[in-house]
Amino acid sequence: AQKVTQAQTEISVVEKEDVTLDCVYETRDTTYYLFWYKQPPSGELVFLIRRNSFDEQNEISGRYSWNFQKSTSSFNFTITASQVVDSAVYFCALRTMNRDDKIIFGKGTRLHILP
Amino acid sequence: NAGVTQTPKFRILKIGQSMTLQCTQDMNHNYMYWYRQDPGMGLKLIYYSVGAGITDKGEVPNGYNVSRSTTEDFPLRLELAAPSQTSVYFCASSYRGPNEKLFFGSGTQLSVL
Repeated sequence: AQKVTQAQTEISVVEKEDVTLDCVYETRDTTYYLFWYKQPPSGELVFLIRRNSFDEQNEISGRYSWNFQKSTSSFNFTITASQVVDSAVYFCALRTMNRDDKIIFGKGTRLHILP
Repeated sequence: NAGVTQTPKFRILKIGQSMTLQCTQDMNHNYMYWYRQDPGMGLKLIYYSVGAGITDKGEVPNGYNVSRSTTEDFPLRLELAAPSQTSVYFCASSYRGPNEKLFFGSGTQLSVL
């Protein structure tokens, strides 16, 4: 069975602070994909990043960075110098390569950036 | 290019009524998914399809049915609506390959009263 845990339900930080959103996953598959999606207050779901299980390189995109560690089954997301526009719900998701082909989401972390 | 289109955007049902949430995509994606998002909660997979004629249950399939007669369409049927089915429903499609990601519809807000 596969599972995604986002233990942080809600986080509030002051603008310009750095913040890390945690994601821990469970799967028996050796091949899988991990994703992060953003849901701003408007409600749409926006793709942020995909990482496959063979690629443990960390990724940086502007103020966003992702730390993938297979040893701890974690795929954490850091926002540097946060801005009010970063306020949203962030979801981590997992797709395994077994016959099921499901894409399972965590419960999400609601991030508030305070001005 | 419309992407993933869901209709209706809003609907209020009475307990026991039935309805179909429509989802269509114009990207020729084989993979399609239905999720529900309860207030303050994450996305739960209801049903998914890996191609026309093939569907499978997700995490929370009870009370729902799907069909996939064409690549484009993946309707979700609610039979005997219950208050527990009050939620926002998202349809998504995907392909397999480089830059794989889910393309989401804008959602259907459903209230069962």
